[in-house]
Amino acid sequence: GNSVTQMEGPVTLSEEAFLTINCTYTATGYPSLFWYVQYPGEGLQLLLKATKADDKGSNKGFEATYRKETTSFHLEKGSVQVSDSAVYFCALSGGYNKLIFGAGTRLAVHP
Amino acid sequence: SQTIHQWPATLVQPVGSPLSLECTVEGTSNPNLYWYRQAAGRGLQLLFYSVGIGQISSEVPQNLSASRPQDRQFILSSKKLLLSDSGFYLCAWTTQGVEAFFGQGTRLTVV
Repeated sequence: GNSVTQMEGPVTLSEEAFLTINCTYTATGYPSLFWYVQYPGEGLQLLLKATKADDKGSNKGFEATYRKETTSFHLEKGSVQVSDSAVYFCALSGGYNKLIFGAGTRLAVHP
Repeated sequence: SQTIHQWPATLVQPVGSPLSLECTVEGTSNPNLYWYRQAAGRGLQLLFYSVGIGQISSEVPQNLSASRPQDRQFILSSKKLLLSDSGFYLCAWTTQGVEAFFGQGTRLTVV
């Protein structure tokens, strides 16, 4: 069946450091891929998406590229800020647009 | 624009009591609707989804049920809560696009 595996956290970085959060998936066919972000006490917000192989999703300085050959969708940001501290979820879309999530990675950015 | 309302934001209920969480969507018609649960320190799990009025699919066996009495209303219920029902419950919707949009969530604590 479909599944998503993302690196365990927490990830602790200093402000302006480079961020990578790894995400790999297992799926039949070619699902759409997403990164969602959850700030403390809130629901999930869509951060970026990619709907086909080699697509690059980007938003707020974050990027992720849909790599079919490595079944990956790693999240990157060149320079993180304290305000980026949150939990990040990688997800894929299955039938009926049901989302299958990874376990989430908590990011803490310190000044 | 489309919005999703979910209430209450927090709820503390004794074991054995009933539960009713409500979610409504505005600004769209015939959405797919979803209930997800996030247990403490864990990822999100899909509980129920609905592709139309009165149509409910359950993803995991559990102590909860869902109903969709109107096109843009989705209700999560339980007749008798268990301690294990504690968690953060999120309602979401999709339409033609592949991405899901989430409500602010309900934090349920069963005591």
